[in-house]
Amino acid sequence: DQQVKQNSPSLSVQEGRISILNCDYTNSMFDYFLWYKKYPAEGPTFLISISSIKDKNEDGRFTVFLNKSAKHLSLHIVPSQPGDSAVYFCAVYTGNQFYFGTGTSLTVIP
Amino acid sequence: SQTIHQWPATLVQPVGSPLSLECTVEGTSNPNLYWYRQAAGRGLQLLFYSVGIGQISSEVPQNLSASRPQDRQFILSSKKLLLSDSGFYLCAWAGTAEAFFGQGTRLTVV
Repeated sequence: DQQVKQNSPSLSVQEGRISILNCDYTNSMFDYFLWYKKYPAEGPTFLISISSIKDKNEDGRFTVFLNKSAKHLSLHIVPSQPGDSAVYFCAVYTGNQFYFGTGTSLTVIP
Repeated sequence: SQTIHQWPATLVQPVGSPLSLECTVEGTSNPNLYWYRQAAGRGLQLLFYSVGIGQISSEVPQNLSASRPQDRQFILSSKKLLLSDSGFYLCAWAGTAEAFFGQGTRLTVV
């Protein structure tokens, strides 16, 4: 049973515009959420995280929003750059384990 | 600073052959260690995690096993590979609520 779901397998955005990646989770007891970025044939790299006591966390061009009532997480990238083209995974951390979604492939068009 | 090494980077093995993938971490003590697999077009599936030497938890019953003979060493093994074992295998470590990944091993079973 999948704990974390990313329902959009792909997203294309024009350079300079906002990219919004979405993630839904199943367990309201989860208390820590993360986003990772992955290039082909490489390991994922940590991007940004948020704990359940917050609803927003910002780091430069990246902002993560948490809507606990909807059990929904989103990552906003603004402005989007061609180098942001990659697969983005959301994840939850619970009980020493990290569970990942299936990923969204973002393409930023120059 | 902490680094994680995973090898080999690519591996082609015949069906029925054994497997041993090794992962080591430097610059930290008593990390939590993880093995993930990314099958073609799919997300990151947690296979095993370990919170200490000799302590292994399995998430998915399968043809694979894991061992942690030393604090910063994590090994993924199989006695007889199946075609379905093909995929991209990732080792990760975590000190707190953030996982850091190795570069991955692309395993092709033929």
